[in-house]
Amino acid sequence: QVQLVESGGGLVKPGGSLRLSCAASGFTFSDYYMSWIRQAPGKGLEWVSYISSSGSTIYYADSVKGRFTISRDNAKNSLYLQMNSLRAEDTAVYYCARENYWGQGTLVTVSS
Amino acid sequence: DIQMTQSPSSVSASVGDRVTITCQASQGISSWLAWYQQKPGKAPKLLIYAASSLQSGVPSRFSGSGSGTDFTLTISSLQPEDFATYYCQQANSFPFTFGPGTKVDIK
Repeated sequence: QVQLVESGGGLVKPGGSLRLSCAASGFTFSDYYMSWIRQAPGKGLEWVSYISSSGSTIYYADSVKGRFTISRDNAKNSLYLQMNSLRAEDTAVYYCARENYWGQGTLVTVSS
Repeated sequence: DIQMTQSPSSVSASVGDRVTITCQASQGISSWLAWYQQKPGKAPKLLIYAASSLQSGVPSRFSGSGSGTDFTLTISSLQPEDFATYYCQQANSFPFTFGPGTKVDIK
């Protein structure tokens, strides 16, 4: 069955960096586009980034453009989100998603 | 960017009630709309895609309609497990924006 497991979240100071990973299993990872979506505590859902199946096409939300980088390693069935210059407003649960399948999320807290 | 609005922001309803949630896009998105259900502490669950197609495994009491800029999610007979927050999301153009959500709680 399809499984998406995020990791890499944690507490980081403003201006710091963090790299999230999403391990995929149960499907042919290289056949599917992937996305990151986040949810700040008590708030709604915010789409963050998209990457095509080959990695050749990428999009970002304006709120993270220039600071976050999405990537994937199809040989390792893994999706990544490199987050730099983190701000307090980046505090959220980050989900990786493949169409109708979502991971359980990983919490990123940006605080001094 | 396409902005998504939802109404109402919250609704109190009883088991058995018919509940309707509307979603409006700031510009036409054809039928590129999805509806999600989210319960506290859980990842969102896809209910409807392409505005009116029921995701496999989702009960038939959920239905979606609309195209262009105006969309509706209807729960025909509210069940106890349906108390949750519902989000629409447009998939017509990037960024794939979500609506602000509609919380359905118990009257």
